[in-house]
Amino acid sequence: AQSVTQPDIHITVSEGASLELRCNYSYGATPYLFWYVQSPGQGLQLLLKYFSGDTLVQGIKGFEAEFKRSQSSFNLRKPSVHWSDAAEYFCAVAAVFNKFYFGSGTKLNVKP
Amino acid sequence: DTGVSQDPRHKITKRGQNVTFRCDPISEHNRLYWYRQTLGQGPEFLTYFQNEAQLEKSRLLSDRFSAERPKGSFSTLEIQRTEQGDSAMYLCATQGQGADQPQHFGDGTRLSIL
Repeated sequence: AQSVTQPDIHITVSEGASLELRCNYSYGATPYLFWYVQSPGQGLQLLLKYFSGDTLVQGIKGFEAEFKRSQSSFNLRKPSVHWSDAAEYFCAVAAVFNKFYFGSGTKLNVKP
Repeated sequence: DTGVSQDPRHKITKRGQNVTFRCDPISEHNRLYWYRQTLGQGPEFLTYFQNEAQLEKSRLLSDRFSAERPKGSFSTLEIQRTEQGDSAMYLCATQGQGADQPQHFGDGTRLSIL
């Protein structure tokens, strides 16, 4: 069965520090993987996606993610966090009919 | 591209009442999804339309829930005889042709049951 695990519920980083949010997935075939960001009371905004090819994908707002098949991981990174990055981040894997399975999210706090 | 639009943004109702939510997709998107999101959780799949055909329903979608997409454009999600446990954010997402297309989400409808 398809599933996504985001092991960190909350993460706090200082502004300007680097960030890595973890995502592990379970899927029988080559996955389609996504990271979304959600601000309070809002819908989800796509940050980046992986389908095939280069395992390091670039997204919007300076985010990147690396697909590691051997570890079933798709971790999200940013070299320098801005206060406006404070939000909740969701990793998702697409399955049959492109039905998405989401992780439970990681809430990012940014200290000034 | 005006994005996915959901209406209303917030709905407060008494237990036992019926509610209906609307989703207007990005115009060229033929796939439409409904998700439910509760506090501290990621969105959970409810149902999926390709054009006007409802192709899949989650077991989360009890017989009190019904969704339609009559002309393959906008969609409605109705909940009958609402219960406390229905309180959640209901998200609509649409997707263009191609397996590699991301889903684009609306801002959701937050339902609160008194």
